Amino acid sequence: GENVEQHPSTLSVQEGDSAVIKCTYSDSASNYFPWYKQELGKGPQLIIDIRSNVGEKKDQRIAVTLNKTAKHFSLHITETQPEDSAVYFCAASGAGTSYGKLTFGQGTILTVHP
Amino acid sequence: GAGVSQSPSNKVTEKGKDVELRCDPISGHTALYWYRQSLGQGLEFLIYFQGNSAPDKSGLPSDRFSAERTGGSVSTLTIQRTQQEDSAVYLCASSSNPSGSPLHFGNGTRLTVT
Repeated sequence: GENVEQHPSTLSVQEGDSAVIKCTYSDSASNYFPWYKQELGKGPQLIIDIRSNVGEKKDQRIAVTLNKTAKHFSLHITETQPEDSAVYFCAASGAGTSYGKLTFGQGTILTVHP
Repeated sequence: GAGVSQSPSNKVTEKGKDVELRCDPISGHTALYWYRQSLGQGLEFLIYFQGNSAPDKSGLPSDRFSAERTGGSVSTLTIQRTQQEDSAVYLCASSSNPSGSPLHFGNGTRLTVT
């Protein structure tokens, strides 16, 4: 089955800096790659997603890039703010299955210092 | 509008007892998913319901776990003869279209087995 590796496990940045989180996946048939943000005591919230026919997607301060050949994708957050502090998860799902049947990475704890 | 609602938010039970966890998906969402989040295993897929189709139970860890979805809406996850390793946060999610729409998660039920 699919395996998703996520790095780093923790990331500490100063407010205004950029943050980058990277994930690799094992199943070349995977074609949907969402990123979720989880705050303490809450469920994961989708922040951005990308499908395999697209190499990059941007939404304001957040961008995701996908390299299908290398089977890795990354989350980029620019101009970080303290409210960006949370746990971030990458995930992947494969062709022929529901987009919601996801394999998640282990998560990255992002801390943005004011 | 209203999001995915889960109850109870916290549940403490004794080892060997049965528990039922409830999920109310977003109105109109045909797909419903259960995930488990634990410290050692991260976020794991458990089961998926889509309309009137047979559920995808491929993620259930043992036959002590079962779930049903009545009337295409509310779902109940049942764990029989609970064990300490069942302690985790159980998350429910729904989507309007399993072929192309993202998951919307509830805030979960934190289960503690003593």
